[in-house]
Amino acid sequence: ETGVTQTPRHLVMGMTNKKSLKCEQHLGHNAMYWYKQSAKKPLELMFVYNFKEQTENNSVPSRFSPECPNSSHLFLHLHTLQPEDSALYLCASSQDGSGGYPDTQYFGPGTRLTVL
Amino acid sequence: AQRVTQPEKLLSVFKGAPVELKCNYSYSGSPELFWYVQYSRQRLQLLLRHISRESIKGFTADLNKGETSFHLKKPFAQEEDSAMYYCALSVGYQKVTFGTGTKLQVIP
Repeated sequence: ETGVTQTPRHLVMGMTNKKSLKCEQHLGHNAMYWYKQSAKKPLELMFVYNFKEQTENNSVPSRFSPECPNSSHLFLHLHTLQPEDSALYLCASSQDGSGGYPDTQYFGPGTRLTVL
Repeated sequence: AQRVTQPEKLLSVFKGAPVELKCNYSYSGSPELFWYVQYSRQRLQLLLRHISRESIKGFTADLNKGETSFHLKKPFAQEEDSAMYYCALSVGYQKVTFGTGTKLQVIP
């Protein structure tokens, strides 16, 4: 599959569970992002990785732990989440911002997370 | 902090009518602005960006720094334009702030 893929597409977990979301991009990009999309709220940037280094943490609680082992893969590890963390989690990728202007972001289909 | 406001949650227009999706922003610097679109059962994707000054699928958007607006316009709406539209502002090269989105419904 081309573009940005995310697995799983749907996830239901209890508050004491540990789970991980996976994102993979096949576009040769060097930047990857996690966003949270809740009902009736704007898309919220959570984390940015550029060349595997975290460059942005938008005050995200520590129960969300990102991991970027290489420029093509991005994980979001989840631990002791709360029901209010239920949302659509979107992954995106882009070039590395070295062109002198913001790069277009390419989004995955998202993981619909429900925390019971 | 930067903010993007899309005042309309839903905009319904008849096919062939003009469309204007409103977007206002607050940012003290020189912004880079985008419109993203999400069609039914498809992923979020870039529609256009102000730096390109291009027209995509008949849509245009002009940055008005005086009014801090970046409204999206199309002279004649088509049914396939029905989708969620998000205005976004970029601070730096990678930090993007999105609006809450406007659902455009084109009535046949």
